[in-house]
Amino acid sequence: NAGVTQTPKFQVLKTGQSMTLQCAQDMNHNSMYWYRQDPGMGLRLIYYSASEGTTDKGEVPNGYNVSRLNKREFSLRLESAAPSQTSVYFCASNRRGQNTEAFFGQGTRLTVV
Amino acid sequence: GNSVTQMEGPVTLSEEAFLTINCTYTATGYPSLFWYVQYPGEGLQLLLKATKADDKGSNKGFEATYRKETTSFHLEKGSVQVSDSAVYFCALSSNRDDKIIFGKGTRLHILP
Repeated sequence: NAGVTQTPKFQVLKTGQSMTLQCAQDMNHNSMYWYRQDPGMGLRLIYYSASEGTTDKGEVPNGYNVSRLNKREFSLRLESAAPSQTSVYFCASNRRGQNTEAFFGQGTRLTVV
Repeated sequence: GNSVTQMEGPVTLSEEAFLTINCTYTATGYPSLFWYVQYPGEGLQLLLKATKADDKGSNKGFEATYRKETTSFHLEKGSVQVSDSAVYFCALSSNRDDKIIFGKGTRLHILP
């Protein structure tokens, strides 16, 4: 069982560079999420997708774009990376509905220099 | 909007001590409540959940009761072990949308 797979696991970018974080789940989940985790800030929601073809902003969407390519994949793009985007990024998914458990990937540690 | 507030850490206890990590929430409607645990270098995983008032979630010796009157979901364990050292997150999921909102996390250190 792969669950939620994120790539890459580590990345260093220079300020102004762009990159895409990939996420795929094999559990046939409807909903997918991108969070960032920073010391003292917990997990903050960047974007989420309730179903294929839909995306919505979370708490901290500025500087990011997302694509729900199909039901399995939900990518996060940084068009012009900034040092403030240095963080650990987590992708998660769950079946639609408030009672359902979210499953998380292993995270991507991104450093912007 | 919805929010979750949990006690700040780090919390340091000796093995076999009693653990309480406080969590309170603000939400419209009737949220579901969760505790997730994050071990070093890993993603979050569900520890326990409760979906309605007075429900008690339990797993691995941990318990939490959904208290609507005090809008709380405190995590407890009667006797902690070194292997319980991790970061614990309280979270809620609203019946109004699909967002899952997390608290800031509480780092727990258990000393042998």
